Amino acid sequence: QQKVQQSPESLIVPEGGMASLNCTFSDRNSQYFWWYRQHSGEGPKALMSIFSNGDKKEGRFTAHLNKASLHVSLHIKDSQPSDSALYFCAVSYQGGRALIFGTGTTVSVSP
Amino acid sequence: DTTVKQNPRYKLARVGKPVNLICSQTMNHDTMYWYQKKPNQAPKLLLFYYDKILNREADTFEKFQSSRPNNSFCSLYIGSAGLEYSAMYLCASSRDHGQLTEVFFGKGTRLTVV
Repeated sequence: QQKVQQSPESLIVPEGGMASLNCTFSDRNSQYFWWYRQHSGEGPKALMSIFSNGDKKEGRFTAHLNKASLHVSLHIKDSQPSDSALYFCAVSYQGGRALIFGTGTTVSVSP
Repeated sequence: DTTVKQNPRYKLARVGKPVNLICSQTMNHDTMYWYQKKPNQAPKLLLFYYDKILNREADTFEKFQSSRPNNSFCSLYIGSAGLEYSAMYLCASSRDHGQLTEVFFGKGTRLTVV
């Protein structure tokens, strides 16, 4: 059974600072990796996906994937108060039933 | 419109009573999911419909039922609620199986069983 673990559980970042979130997974067959973000009172919303080893940048967000190390990370540059949310890592593979989520990292951006 | 709608947002149920949660989407998505989310835990997949085919997770097989009368609607049914069913229930949908495409979530129904 795939296990997806995220660290840290929570993170406080000054406005304009860098937030770094980590995710490890257990199944070496994993192929598809997503980051979802959930603001208070809302449902999770997809932030970005990464399917190949290396970095993928979308605006202030950069995802990094290392399948050999079973590790994916998300870095938020120039953090804004609107980035305060719960961030989930989600993992799947071809033929998999559905995305498996991690427990989440709560990011708080302090003004 | 890329929204998934869930009703009600809050639900209070008595132990031993049935519970029925409703979800709808107008994106013509093939797949609809139900996840259970408890505090400090990962969203846990309960079941999903791919078109008309229901797939239930092995460890929750007997606890939850579901129906999908048409492409847009999906329900989650608990026959006899227990205290352990208190949680946020998230409905979601995606085109295909959602590994390569975005999964869209509703705002959830918070179920409290007393």
